[in-house]
Amino acid sequence: GENVEQHPSTLSVQEGDSAVIKCTYSDSASNYFPWYKQELGKGPQLIIDIRSNVGEKKDQRIAVTLNKTAKHFSLHITETQPEDSAVYFCAAASGGGADGLTFGKGTHLIIQP
Amino acid sequence: KAGVTQTPRYLIKTRGQQVTLSCSPISGHRSVSWYQQTPGQGLQFLFEYFSETQRNKGNFPGRFSGRQFSNSRSEMNVSTLELGDSALYLCASSWGQGARNEQFFGPGTRLTVL
Repeated sequence: GENVEQHPSTLSVQEGDSAVIKCTYSDSASNYFPWYKQELGKGPQLIIDIRSNVGEKKDQRIAVTLNKTAKHFSLHITETQPEDSAVYFCAAASGGGADGLTFGKGTHLIIQP
Repeated sequence: KAGVTQTPRYLIKTRGQQVTLSCSPISGHRSVSWYQQTPGQGLQFLFEYFSETQRNKGNFPGRFSGRQFSNSRSEMNVSTLELGDSALYLCASSWGQGARNEQFFGPGTRLTVL
């Protein structure tokens, strides 16, 4: 089955700086890669996603890049703000998506004022 | 549009008991998937229901089961509870079947097994 590795597990950045979270996946048949943000006491919130026919996608301060050859994808957050503090999860859907989403272990992003 | 709702939000049970959790998807969504979230194992896929039929299943024992009703609402049941079943149980709804569709999560049900 699919395996998703996520790094780093904790990331502390100064407010206003950029943050980058990286994930690798194992199944070359995976073709959908969403990113979720989870705040304390809440369920994961879909913040951006990318499909395998696209190399990059941007939504305001958030961008995701995908390298199919290397089987890795990354989340970029620019001009970080205190409300960006949360746990971020990457995920992959392999093949027909029959196995559900496979998630990384999460990155705890801390924005230092 | 209302989001995914889950009830109850918190549950405390003892070993050997059974529990039923409920999920109401976003209006118009026909697929409901269930995930278990624990500190050790992270988020793991349990199963997906679409049009009242279980379509996909993760690697969990048969004690974990579910069903979906004609209005797309779904229930998940865990029988003979074990201490290791303590977790946050999340449901996610999507318009179409399969994980390649955008999935929107509810707030989860926190289950504690004593």
